[in-house]
Amino acid sequence: EAGVVQSPRYKIIEKKQPVAFWCNPISGHNTLYWYRQNLGQGPELLIRYENEEAVDDSQLPKDRFSAERLKGVDSTLKIQPAELGDSAVYLCASSFSVLASGTDTQYFGPGTRLTVL
Amino acid sequence: DQQVKQNSPSLSVQEGRISILNCDYTNSMFDYFLWYKKYPAEGPTFLISISSIKDKNEDGRFTVFLNKSAKHLSLHIVPSQPGDSAVYFCAAANSGYALNFGKGTSLLVTP
Repeated sequence: EAGVVQSPRYKIIEKKQPVAFWCNPISGHNTLYWYRQNLGQGPELLIRYENEEAVDDSQLPKDRFSAERLKGVDSTLKIQPAELGDSAVYLCASSFSVLASGTDTQYFGPGTRLTVL
Repeated sequence: DQQVKQNSPSLSVQEGRISILNCDYTNSMFDYFLWYKKYPAEGPTFLISISSIKDKNEDGRFTVFLNKSAKHLSLHIVPSQPGDSAVYFCAAANSGYALNFGKGTSLLVTP
């Protein structure tokens, strides 16, 4: 069974440029998460989707970040414009939530390493 | 505010010995705890979990212990193998909310 797929794996852009990341979750997983992991830190949640609905986006910097999960499968995360401090690894994870309890095991993709120059 | 703390950034253990990774948390509402393992350039891989109704969960060489009164959990790896060398993240969640991760402990298992 295929795991969580993310692309691109690496991205280098100049500040003020836009960038987008794509995620395809594990087949059948209804919950999708975007995390950001800074160097030397653990992942921090940006947004969580239950199917196509964003149920937790409290940590998403909405002035420059946006996300969508049309049709409740694939998802894209966009930054526009990017800033130097956005350099990090962006991780996508998915899980199958029966009760939408947030205690389901999350499976992570390999991440996209973003470098903003 | 870091609600999940892994106070040891690194740990070195000899092959065949026991590795013990520790994790402390501050939020008494957390009811589900997980350990993830991460190799360089890969995403975190789920290792083992435990709910707050248990105090121990075992899966092969990996055992997680939960001490709710001390708000402490630990991961034991016995016996340790060189392939276990990775960064281990402790994570905790309150039902319906997101996972909170620690900063990770880098484990090195030497031959």
